[in-house]
Amino acid sequence: GAVVSQHPSWVICKSGTSVKIECRSLDFQATTMFWYRQFPKQSLMLMATSNEGSKATYEQGVEKDKFLINHASLTLSTLTVTSAHPEDSSFYICSARIRTGPHEQYFGPGTRLTVT
Amino acid sequence: GQNIDQPTEMTATEGAIVQINCTYQTSGFNGLFWYQQHAGEAPTFLSYNVLDGLEEKGRFSSFLSRSKGYSYLLLKELQMKDSASYLCAVRDREGVTGGGNKLTFGTGTQLKVEL
Repeated sequence: GAVVSQHPSWVICKSGTSVKIECRSLDFQATTMFWYRQFPKQSLMLMATSNEGSKATYEQGVEKDKFLINHASLTLSTLTVTSAHPEDSSFYICSARIRTGPHEQYFGPGTRLTVT
Repeated sequence: GQNIDQPTEMTATEGAIVQINCTYQTSGFNGLFWYQQHAGEAPTFLSYNVLDGLEEKGRFSSFLSRSKGYSYLLLKELQMKDSASYLCAVRDREGVTGGGNKLTFGTGTQLKVEL
């Protein structure tokens, strides 16, 4: 149980375009999902916390108008990188919070974004 | 805010034991997690400590001392497949939004297991 999927697993796009990444909890309902970004050889940095039915909470330094988050249902959150630039190239990972148990966050497999 | 420190790299021999340390500073400690991450993959959960002491789970054990702001992950009977990055993450009571306690990750310790 507690499986989280992400789509796509990798994507290449041109500068100036937008890319949407989906995060789904497959066998549980996730009222809260988290979006992380990880640059090579660095740790995960929390970008935002996404709550179903309400606006996402962004971490300091993360542009909310550039990284649009929508948590439309209890099993789906999307991250849209708008007007992508090469410096947005990174590994984007989502996690979903499950209510039961102490280890509440289950991570998706990640999405490798390359902006050319 | 939080500050989490762990060694950048470690090397150990197959079959041996290795201890990966993590020190942290936080204003509202609410649990410490260890994750394993292979290159290009998402982290997978290894262990969780919220009270002082040792938690054992097969070849992996994790220890916590809240008064010292210190934890370690102990890996026994090392296997080649254990070569990965090990991430220490602290959950903080502060910054709770909509019931979600956020995790702050350390930079990770890259473990290399050699023959």
